[in-house]
Amino acid sequence: EVQLVESGGGLVQPGGSLRLSCAASGFTFSSHWMSWVRQAPGKGLEWVANIKQDGGEKYYVDSVKGRFTISRDNAKNSQYLQMNSLRAEDTAVYYCTGVWWRYWGQGTLVTVSS
Amino acid sequence: QAVVTQEPSLTVSPGGTVTLTCGSSTGAVTSGHYPYWFQQKPGQAPRTLIYDTSNKHSWTPARFSGSLLGGKAALTLSGAQPEDEAEYYCLLSYSGAYVFGTGTKVTVL
Repeated sequence: EVQLVESGGGLVQPGGSLRLSCAASGFTFSSHWMSWVRQAPGKGLEWVANIKQDGGEKYYVDSVKGRFTISRDNAKNSQYLQMNSLRAEDTAVYYCTGVWWRYWGQGTLVTVSS
Repeated sequence: QAVVTQEPSLTVSPGGTVTLTCGSSTGAVTSGHYPYWFQQKPGQAPRTLIYDTSNKHSWTPARFSGSLLGGKAALTLSGAQPEDEAEYYCLLSYSGAYVFGTGTKVTVL
């Protein structure tokens, strides 16, 4: 059974940092692009970032460029999202997704507030 | 980055047919945008229905189909069921980056 389990969300003050993790199982993690998608409360889906199988290519939505960094560790079947300089507008449920959007985690809530 | 536009809301009668569309601010949507369609119900993660314009996953009900229509990607629901009431999002690829559509709330009434 495929599982994507996110962790690391929580409450953080504006300007702070958080690191999200996504643990994958049930498929060959190292063979697939992985992504992060977020959804602000009551709003639509927003693609955040993608990372290639070997980590050699990464893409970001304009609003997080220079602040967020996507990475992966194929030995640990995990991907990460390092989020710095957080803003109120980054408040959202963050989903880990992979295998061309086939599999999704249940999401982890990030709240940026003072 | 591009803006991807969907109808805000659509209503369909049980057993009826409805078509959702997905347009791009950069011009016509083509197969090169690899259109995806997702269904999301309240409190749940999204679920992929259609990939690469018209391909279905094993779990995609046969009443859903995807196509290109008039320069847009389209999702057609034929024979709507009460359980199809949900938010639907398209997703387009732009050379490595992706943009979700604004979402369509489908009501079965």
